[in-house]
Amino acid sequence: DSGVTQTPKHLITATGQRVTLRCSPRSGDLSVYWYQQSLDQGLQFLIQYYNGEERAKGNILERFSAQQFPDLHSELNLSSLELGDSALYFCASSAGDREAFFGQGTRLTVV
Amino acid sequence: AQTVTQSQPEMSVQEAETVTLSCTYDTSENNYYLFWYKQPPSRQMILVIRQEAYKQQNATENRFSVNFQKAAKSFSLKISDSQLGDTAMYFCAFSPSGTYKYIFGTGTRLKVLA
Repeated sequence: DSGVTQTPKHLITATGQRVTLRCSPRSGDLSVYWYQQSLDQGLQFLIQYYNGEERAKGNILERFSAQQFPDLHSELNLSSLELGDSALYFCASSAGDREAFFGQGTRLTVV
Repeated sequence: AQTVTQSQPEMSVQEAETVTLSCTYDTSENNYYLFWYKQPPSRQMILVIRQEAYKQQNATENRFSVNFQKAAKSFSLKISDSQLGDTAMYFCAFSPSGTYKYIFGTGTRLKVLA
């Protein structure tokens, strides 16, 4: 168990809908990262937050947004969903620049 | 741009044998960290091993060891006495010190054969 909790584990939704993925980082970790992994692909970095502030942005679509709350949990909002958004979405957290610990992922299926 | 390259999309190894996965990276940084993550069929991302660039000694974790060549910007993973449970996708990752950024390679799919 990495200590990073992601909910829900699975999500099935229709095209055009909006969903929210939630991540609770390891206790004490200030940095949260979101990654997208499509089937049999590598990890695509979406966005990073550090202590509530956006720190880095990757290839995140405008339809996607995220935030980190004062209690350090983070949410990734995906709107106007398309079939191509179906993927495994990972959250990771780190205390610094040593290693990132990953949650189990949320498997999103858009039908 | 900082990049991580894993040139072997797929590899296979017989149970109990040794296999080496390659990783090269490109950076102008002097201080950084390197990681190998394992992603088994369950899709969980599991940290296998970590190497600090300032350390000359290669990291070892049980059957897993690395060959870190800083000048060549190479960071290979050696798995000894391969087990069926080692079957997974392996990702090499790089993090420049102080940036809180992790850059991943595209992964190597390893299959351990009985």
